[in-house]
Amino acid sequence: DAGVTQSPTHLIKTRGQQVTLRCSPKSGHDTVSWYQQALGQGPQFIFQYYEEEERQRGNFPDRFSGHQFPNYSSELNVNALLLGDSALYLCASSLVGYGYTFGSGTRLTVV
Amino acid sequence: SQQGEEDPQALSIQEGENATMNCSYKTSINNLQWYRQNSGRGLVHLILIRSNEREKHSGRLRVTLDTSKKSSSLLITASRAADTASYFCATDAPVNRNQFYFGTGTSLTVIP
Repeated sequence: DAGVTQSPTHLIKTRGQQVTLRCSPKSGHDTVSWYQQALGQGPQFIFQYYEEEERQRGNFPDRFSGHQFPNYSSELNVNALLLGDSALYLCASSLVGYGYTFGSGTRLTVV
Repeated sequence: SQQGEEDPQALSIQEGENATMNCSYKTSINNLQWYRQNSGRGLVHLILIRSNEREKHSGRLRVTLDTSKKSSSLLITASRAADTASYFCATDAPVNRNQFYFGTGTSLTVIP
């Protein structure tokens, strides 16, 4: 049973560029959440998707947007990249009332 | 903020010893979870404890929850070098049981 798959594993972008990160949830999971984890910090909630809609959003600017597809996979888009966007981006899938299953993350470096 | 806070920030023990990490949070919860993260990789779910539970065991892990004190503890018994990792507690949001807030974690080093 495949877990959560994220792509790409690593990414280097230049300030001002746009980036798209992808996530395939664990089989049977219908909810996808995205987190940003800066070095030495805990994961910070970006947003959550359920039934192809953004159900909840954390304290992140509109430069961060997402999408969930009918097969429950999801994308995270970040526009106008800043140096401070450099972080590990984690995708987690879940069912209500149960724990998250995390992917291995995408390491984004903005130069 | 609902965010959990772990204590201590860092912990170093000898292999075979027990490790205890604590988590405090601020508002009521439905569930509290503990996760492990190795070297900046993805988080691994360890255990979930519901608000009506006081203690839960899983292998060498023991988690307690005291909702009156808004705190939880994670005990790892007979630690191994492979337990070296960062440990995070995560609390859910009162209005969304499927959204979790993480603390800054406890960095555990187990010395062989």
